[in-house]
Amino acid sequence: EVQLVESGGGLVQPGGSLRLSCAASGFTLSSNWMHWVRQAPGKGLVWVSRINSDGSTTNYADSVKGRFTISRDNAKNTLYLQMNSLRAEDTAVYFCARDVRDYGDYDRFDPWGQGTLVTVSS
Amino acid sequence: DIQLTQSPSSLSASVGDRVTITCRASQSISTYLNWYQQKPGKAPNLLIYAASNLQSGVPARFTGSGSGTDFTLTISSLQPADFATYYCQQSYSTRYTFGQGTRLDIK
Repeated sequence: EVQLVESGGGLVQPGGSLRLSCAASGFTLSSNWMHWVRQAPGKGLVWVSRINSDGSTTNYADSVKGRFTISRDNAKNTLYLQMNSLRAEDTAVYFCARDVRDYGDYDRFDPWGQGTLVTVSS
Repeated sequence: DIQLTQSPSSLSASVGDRVTITCRASQSISTYLNWYQQKPGKAPNLLIYAASNLQSGVPARFTGSGSGTDFTLTISSLQPADFATYYCQQSYSTRYTFGQGTRLDIK
C-alpha cells in the first residue's frame, strides 16, 4: 500500500524553526516529484513547495520563499520541510503529497499524508 | 497566479440527489484541472484528474468535465459518504492553486 506519514509538527514561538518529515512506504520515493501543501484551521488548501525526484530542483510559494526549504533523502525514503522564521500565519496542518504524472504531462497529487499540525504562537 | 473560483461555496442536498459543482479559472488552463474530496480531519483524496479522468477506485457516480476556464464536478446520485468538502486544483502552472472549496452537507 502506498502511504505517506508526516511528523514533526508542534507548537513553536514566532521566529522559531521546525522541521517536518514525510516518510514514504509502498513506493520508491526517488521516482516522484513531491509536494507540501498546507491548510490553516477552517481554511482551504494552499500549495507550499515541490521538489523533483533527485532534489536538484525546488519551487516555493511566495509566502514561504526564503524561509522554508524542501529537501529529500531518497535513501531513507523521506521528504523534509525545514521551516525557519515562523510566523503566526504559518499555523496550519501541513500535508505531503506525491506527484503522479503518468498521463501525458498532467500531474496530480496522490496520495496525501494524514498531515501534521504546526502552531506558531507565543 | 491562476485563480480558481468554485461555486457554490456551500450546498445542501439529499441522498440520491444529483449535484454539480463549478470551478472557474482566471485564465485558460486547457484540461489541467483536478478535483479532490476532503472529509473533516482527513487528507484530501483525488477524485478526477485532467478534468475528466476518474481516479482508480473512485465510484463512477463522480464525473468531471470542462476545458479552458470552466469546469464541473457532478455527483450523479449522492451517497452518505459523499458529504464532504470538494476542491478543484490547477496544474497548468507549477504555481499550483486550489479553489476555495465547496462544502456539501446533508439537507
